[in-house]
Amino acid sequence: DAEITQSPRHKITETGRQVTLACHQTWNHNNMFWYRQDLGHGLRLIHYSYGVQDTNKGEVSDGYSVSRSNTEDLPLTLESAASSQTSVYFCASSDRASGYNEQFFGPGTRLTVL
Amino acid sequence: KNEVEQSPQNLTAQEGEFITINCSYSVGISALHWLQQHPGGGIVSLFMLSSGKKKHGRLIATINIQEKHSSLHITASHPRDSAVYICAVGNTDKLIFGTGTRLQVFP
Repeated sequence: DAEITQSPRHKITETGRQVTLACHQTWNHNNMFWYRQDLGHGLRLIHYSYGVQDTNKGEVSDGYSVSRSNTEDLPLTLESAASSQTSVYFCASSDRASGYNEQFFGPGTRLTVL
Repeated sequence: KNEVEQSPQNLTAQEGEFITINCSYSVGISALHWLQQHPGGGIVSLFMLSSGKKKHGRLIATINIQEKHSSLHITASHPRDSAVYICAVGNTDKLIFGTGTRLQVFP
């Protein structure tokens, strides 16, 4: 069965370190998204991609970067982790070709920056 | 003002009660989504609708495009329905999310 996975599921890091969160989907979807989820906020879009070599900034992109070298993967990198980036991160994908924008979510990564 | 507003923020019910969660939005949309997030975090899509009404088991979702409002109903609620229910609206490929309604159903 097709799926979307994230790794690691939990990560503790220190301020200033570079961290990369992995997202891998086997749906063969064109679109991939990274969100963060914090108390009092809805899911907020960090970065998104509509296909290989395409990346775009979302509403909370400062301090994050992504790259899309193949259809299946969209890794999220925190260049220099800050305590404000402690959050739960969700990756999602959707199939633009279907004409619908239903998104399928990964299980999430809980990141703590000390 | 948030573009997607949900009410109530928190909801407590006794098993068997009829539950209604509301979602209002202020932007033009192509579809509205209801999502469920259980403790432990996974998010699953319950409904995607652009008009009318959809039903799946004990869950019913309705949308009124003119009033920019949607409701999610749960009939005969059960403790396993305890979760956060999230409304999201989409235009193009991106979604805008509400902050969620936390539902607890007690036996």
